[in-house]
Amino acid sequence: DAGITQSPRHKVTETGTPVTLRCHQTENHRYMYWYRQDPGHGLRLIHYSYGVKDTDKGEVSDGYSVSRSKTEDFLLTLESATSSQTSVYFCAIGRGNNQPQHFGDGTRLSIL
Amino acid sequence: GQQVMQIPQYQHVQEGEDFTTYCNSSTTLSNIQWYKQRPGGHPVFLIQLVKSGEVKKQKRLTFQFGEAKKNSSLHITATQTTDVGTYFCAGGVGGSTLGRLYFGRGTQLTVWP
Repeated sequence: DAGITQSPRHKVTETGTPVTLRCHQTENHRYMYWYRQDPGHGLRLIHYSYGVKDTDKGEVSDGYSVSRSKTEDFLLTLESATSSQTSVYFCAIGRGNNQPQHFGDGTRLSIL
Repeated sequence: GQQVMQIPQYQHVQEGEDFTTYCNSSTTLSNIQWYKQRPGGHPVFLIQLVKSGEVKKQKRLTFQFGEAKKNSSLHITATQTTDVGTYFCAGGVGGSTLGRLYFGRGTQLTVWP
């Protein structure tokens, strides 16, 4: 598998708390993505980045923010977590924006 | 907006039977990709098709890209229990820089021994 590390792998937190998920890559890929996966919805794009400090919204971006200060790191932040944000979050990397993506192992986030 | 539709959502087969999942787009795609996700795992890239009418094979898996580059299929011959998982198609739209990849919702395959 491509060098992608997501942390933490599991997290349980309470409604209203801030949460930050980290994605780290060692492949030097330009593009990085955050998806959430929920039963019946497949993979839904939250935000993506096409370079350092260059990010754009996906289809389900409300309630989420991202930052990319280095090529290798892409952070996803839930400013004030809600129960509807309980999900499995996947980070992915790619060489081009419509090119094959390689996924991390995922973060299982539960918001109580 | 751009959508990639995938059917069926679920498929249950007995080991040895064939399996097919279909992917359709409302617009012309620049490429189609297929991914497999094992239960509890992450999506893994299988293959990319780029040319109109392209057919590629990986052992028992056959991937097709339609002539109009709007549809695709994945066919598994003689399924095995190791084929269990969810298969996603993803349609590429536009170029490598400004384009996007749109995932279907996946077909969950269950194989009875």
